[in-house]
Amino acid sequence: NAGVMQNPRHLVRRRGQEARLRCSPVKGHSHVYWYRQLPEEGLKFMVYLQKENIIDESGMPKERFSAEFPKEGPSILRIQQVVRGDSAAYFCASSPSGTLTDTQYFGPGTRLTVL
Amino acid sequence: KNEVEQSPQNLTAQEGEFITINCSYSVGISALHWLQQHPGGGIVSLFMLSSGKKKHGRLIATINIQEKHSSLHITASHPRDSAVYICAAINSGGSNYKLTFGKGTLLTVNP
Repeated sequence: NAGVMQNPRHLVRRRGQEARLRCSPVKGHSHVYWYRQLPEEGLKFMVYLQKENIIDESGMPKERFSAEFPKEGPSILRIQQVVRGDSAAYFCASSPSGTLTDTQYFGPGTRLTVL
Repeated sequence: KNEVEQSPQNLTAQEGEFITINCSYSVGISALHWLQQHPGGGIVSLFMLSSGKKKHGRLIATINIQEKHSSLHITASHPRDSAVYICAAINSGGSNYKLTFGKGTLLTVNP
């Protein structure tokens, strides 16, 4: 009974390095969402992907951040040249389709710390 | 002002007490989620509702679309209910996948 899996669970990077966060959705789910939770703040939508397509990246910073969900393999959220302000918990969720009636299943999150 | 507001921010209760957490929103929505987040842990979806009331075990969620308000109730609360409870709205007329989150209510239930 594999739910959404994220790795690593904790990631420490120095300023300027790259961070790669992985998300394996629930088996059979083709819709993935990434959210960011900054310290003392609520969750914020970042990006919505279907297999091989970015549907909505309106919540993602235009620079340094990118996301993909290839045909094979996990979804990847990539942050280049990290800065201290990128320190946050990043959550991935998946659903079988992108409709209103779907529940989104959340992963355990990756906690990124930028030194 | 956040589009989704929760109250209270923090709530401490004794085991067995009836708990109510409130969520109000300023935009038209098509549905609302209640989520549970344990300290250091992941997020679990408790309910998704667009009208009326849903019940699951000791948890009850209600929504009044006209009044733009939802409540989460926990009956016979237990220390294991201690967590952050988050409401998240799906705006109507827009993307039906994009959630707008409240900041959460930290619930602590003491034995």
